[in-house]
Amino acid sequence: QVQLQESGPGLVKPSQTLSLTCTVSGGSISSVSYYWTWIRQPAGEGLEWIGRIYTSGSTDYNPSLKSRVTISLDTSQNQISLKLNSVTSADTAVYYCARSLVPYDRFDFWGQGTLVTVSS
Amino acid sequence: DIQMTQSPSSLSASVGDRVTITCQASQGISRYLHWYQQKPGKAPKLLIFDASNLETGVPSRFSGSGSGTDFTFTISSLQPDDIATYYCQQYDNLPLTFGGGTKVEIK
Repeated sequence: QVQLQESGPGLVKPSQTLSLTCTVSGGSISSVSYYWTWIRQPAGEGLEWIGRIYTSGSTDYNPSLKSRVTISLDTSQNQISLKLNSVTSADTAVYYCARSLVPYDRFDFWGQGTLVTVSS
Repeated sequence: DIQMTQSPSSLSASVGDRVTITCQASQGISRYLHWYQQKPGKAPKLLIFDASNLETGVPSRFSGSGSGTDFTFTISSLQPDDIATYYCQQYDNLPLTFGGGTKVEIK
């Protein structure tokens, strides 16, 4: 059974960089069958797709965040990372990593989510 | 971006009731739509993929239909465990987008 676990600072100051890691167990992020995705959800609001990465390292990002986002893989650690720079209070949210099946983009496994608050 | 409009945004129904949620896409997306259930404090869970296919292990009281721009999600007989927020998600075009959610409560 695949498991995903997000980790990282729960508090980030405005204008700084949010950095999160998703550790995958029970499966390899090098599999050609899956995308690895970041999704976020502000409190009481809906879901926003941030972007995804494939085992080749190719990425797709939400245009609304593209200028500030980097998603990368560390295959030696079986981890996916998210970096979001120049954060503001609007970036306060629960951040999820999820696996989706290529090319169907359905999210079949999710991490439990981690709350990141942007505040001074 | 493809906008996904869900309605209603919330509903209250009795145990055993039939519950229907609609999702409308701002442009045709064929059947490239999934449905998720999210309980408070938890990650979403995939229920229906490709508009009408039940994910393994999901109770058969959940179903989906539709194509093009109009989709429907149905709970045939509402159970207490179904209290959650439900989201549709399109994958016809990037960026992937979700509906605003429908919160289902017990009357």
